Amino acid sequence: GIQVEQSPPDLILQEGANSTLRCNFSDSVNNLQWFHQNPWGQLINLFYIPSGTKQNGRLSATTVATERYSLLYISSSQTTDSGVYFCAVPFLGGYNKLIFGAGTRLAVHP
Amino acid sequence: ETGVTQSPTHLIKTRGQQVTLRCSSQSGHNTVSWYQQALGQGPQFIFQYYREEENGRGNFPPRFSGLQFPNYSSELNVNALELDDSALYLCASSLGGSPYEQYFGPGTRLTVT
Repeated sequence: GIQVEQSPPDLILQEGANSTLRCNFSDSVNNLQWFHQNPWGQLINLFYIPSGTKQNGRLSATTVATERYSLLYISSSQTTDSGVYFCAVPFLGGYNKLIFGAGTRLAVHP
Repeated sequence: ETGVTQSPTHLIKTRGQQVTLRCSSQSGHNTVSWYQQALGQGPQFIFQYYREEENGRGNFPPRFSGLQFPNYSSELNVNALELDDSALYLCASSLGGSPYEQYFGPGTRLTVT
């Protein structure tokens, strides 16, 4: 089945710094989602981005489907950005099963 | 627009017992998926329901079962609980199958002792 790898596994930043998180996937996809999991476990939708670039405030994402990777950019990080960031791609088997990477654990210190 | 809700928030059960977790899908969504997330890992797909039928299943034993109701809400039932079933259980809803965007509820944290 499709494999999803995220890097780096852990990231520590000072408030105000910028960062780039990477998601590699092993097969063609028709969908890719980025999530932020807060300390209470809630998965918050950041981007639905099968291809191209999207921006939402301080966050932006780019997916290059032909090269099988996606990037999540966080600019001017804040302590509230702390948590785990997951990317997920669908299993192309006719139902909406998402396959998640292991996540990037981000800690932003004041 | 109401988001995905789950109940209960936390639950403690004893090994061998049975548990039922509940999920209400986002307004207008007809597809519900359940995921199990062990500590320090990404969520793992359990199964999916579309219009009250299971239409996809991950690598989970038959003691994990579910239901979807006419209003598209859903239940996850786990029989004969094992210690390894301790995890965060997440429910997600979507407008349909792939590639529709999935939206997740806050989760139920199950502890099996």
